[in-house]
Amino acid sequence: GALVYQYPRRTICKSGTSMRMECQAVGFQATSVAWYRQSPQKTFELIALSTVNSAIKYEQNFTQEKFPISHPNLSFSSMTVLNAYLEDRGLYLCGAGTNTEVFFGKGTRLTVV
Amino acid sequence: GQQVQQSPASLVLQEGENAELQCNFSSTATQLQWFYQSPGGSLVSLLSNPSGTKHTGRLTSTTVTKERRSSLHISSSQTTDSGTYLCAIDEMSNYNVLYFGSGTKLTVEP
Repeated sequence: GALVYQYPRRTICKSGTSMRMECQAVGFQATSVAWYRQSPQKTFELIALSTVNSAIKYEQNFTQEKFPISHPNLSFSSMTVLNAYLEDRGLYLCGAGTNTEVFFGKGTRLTVV
Repeated sequence: GQQVQQSPASLVLQEGENAELQCNFSSTATQLQWFYQSPGGSLVSLLSNPSGTKHTGRLTSTTVTKERRSSLHISSSQTTDSGTYLCAIDEMSNYNVLYFGSGTKLTVEP
């Protein structure tokens, strides 16, 4: 079956440092990977969509300078939170798509201290 | 993007009662998923139901695509069902991106 693994599941970083999270698609080819963030007491909001052979599209309020994304092949993507601060804390979710269905990981929970 | 409204925002039930959760969306969709998020924050995909009726265990989802609505019925609720239920829907012009509703917080009391 199709599975999406995200790691780490939980991480703590010091304010002002950076943190990299990864998303691995197993059992299917992820032609697109979308990254989301759920801030405390809020629902998930889209950060960016990465599609093979296309430029990564960031949503308003999110930038490549802050959240650089790598999508080197059809099974892997990573995103880094640069200079993390308190407002960056939350659950980061990866949704890997096949053009007909999207499969989600369990997320990476980021705590900033 | 797609606008997703979930109702009710919160629901309190006694164990054994049934729950009916609603999800309305603003434009045509090809994908619709229901998720459960535990009080601890873990996210689990419950089922994918872009149209029609789908059952899994005590869960039944009915999606009426042309009316842009979906429901999730939980029968014989248990205390372990407590948590937040989220629906997420795509947009035909932007496949592989799902837009999440704000969720229904379900509390099942013993």
